[in-house]
Formats: sequence, C-alpha cells, structure tokens
Amino acid sequence: KQEVTQIPAALSVPEGENLVLNCSFTDSAIYNLQWFRQDPGKGLTSLLLIQSSQREQTSGRLNASLDKSSGRSTLYIAASQPGDSATYLCAVPTDSWGKFQFGAGTQVVVTP
Amino acid sequence: DTGVSQDPRHKITKRGQNVTFRCDPISEHNRLYWYRQTLGQGPEFLTYFQNEAQLEKSRLLSDRFSAERPKGSFSTLEIQRTEQGDSAMYLCASTYTGSRVSGEEQFFGPGTRLTVL
Repeated sequence: KQEVTQIPAALSVPEGENLVLNCSFTDSAIYNLQWFRQDPGKGLTSLLLIQSSQREQTSGRLNASLDKSSGRSTLYIAASQPGDSATYLCAVPTDSWGKFQFGAGTQVVVTP
Repeated sequence: DTGVSQDPRHKITKRGQNVTFRCDPISEHNRLYWYRQTLGQGPEFLTYFQNEAQLEKSRLLSDRFSAERPKGSFSTLEIQRTEQGDSAMYLCASTYTGSRVSGEEQFFGPGTRLTVL
C-alpha cells in the first residue's frame, strides 16, 4: 500500500528565504506526483505535476524534483513571500486511474 | 473555463438529516473524483467516475453515501442520516484522459464544508 509522508509538518521562515518542502512515498512505481497548495478553508490549487519520467519541473519561483528510486520529491520555493503562507500537499496516484494518496501536508508561514 | 465548481460551499445540518452536494467538473473532463478532508489531514479518496460509470468506492464510503454522475457531466454526492463524524470538507477533482494511463493533472474545486450538529 502506498504511503506518503511530508516532513516537517510545519515550517516558519523569514521573507526572502528559500523554502524546501519534502515528500516521501513508499512505492516507487508511480505514474506521476503532483504538488498542491491549500489556503485555510479552501480547496486545492495545483502547483506542479511531475511525470515519472521527469527528474524536475519548474514554474516561476517553484521547482519540484523527483527521485523515484529513493521515493522522494522536493518542492523548492525561491525567495519566499508572505503570500506563500499556506499548506503544501503532495499526492501520488495509487493506480492507473489516478486515485490519489495524499501526504498530510506541510504548513508554511512566511513572516515579513 | 471557470474551473471545477462545487455547491454549496458550506452546509450546516442536524444529525440524521440528508444532504446532497454537487460538483461541476471542467468542461470535457471525463474523469471525476470525490475526496474527503478532515482538519490537519490530507484528502482521502472516496470514489471516482470515468464518464458516467462509477469505477470504485472507498471503504470510507458507507452505505449511507451515494454518488452519481448522470450523463457524465456534473456529479452529486448524497449522505443520508448524517452523523457528526461526517463533518469534513468534501472535495471534487476532475481531469481529462484519453487512456488508462494516469499522467494528467488533476484540478480541484473549492470544496463543500459540512458541519453536522
């Protein structure tokens, strides 16, 4: 059974510092991995989708890496801003139909 | 294209009442998922549809829960005889895929927050 872990559960950084968020999964036979952002009481916003054949994916200040062999993905957010404060979740499909297994998320606070 | 929409955004009900939630996926998305999220946890899978066919139901989905997707467009999730343990955020997601291989990005709606008193 696929298990997804995100450590740390919470993180606080001063504005301008780079953020490094970790996601671990137990079964390396994944189709892809998707990173999401969730603001309090809101739905999920897709940040990046990284396919199993890719090593990394970039969008603006965001960069996600994927190492299937070690069961890890890392989301880097450069030059953090207070507006980056949110919970960040990673998810991997557990079957070919895209049924997601989520981590519990990392709650990020960026202080001005 | 306005994204995935869900209605209502908030629902407060008394224990024992029935509730129904609606999800409108992104136009032409043929796959639709329902998830449930409790405070401090990641979303948990409930069920999903390929067009109008319901392909799988999680063990979390007791016989009090039913979901439909008539004509492969919008979907409804009904909870009968609600219990306090049903209080959660119910999230809907959609994607388009032309094959069985799962490589497409999933898009989530804003969720419906259910509170059972």
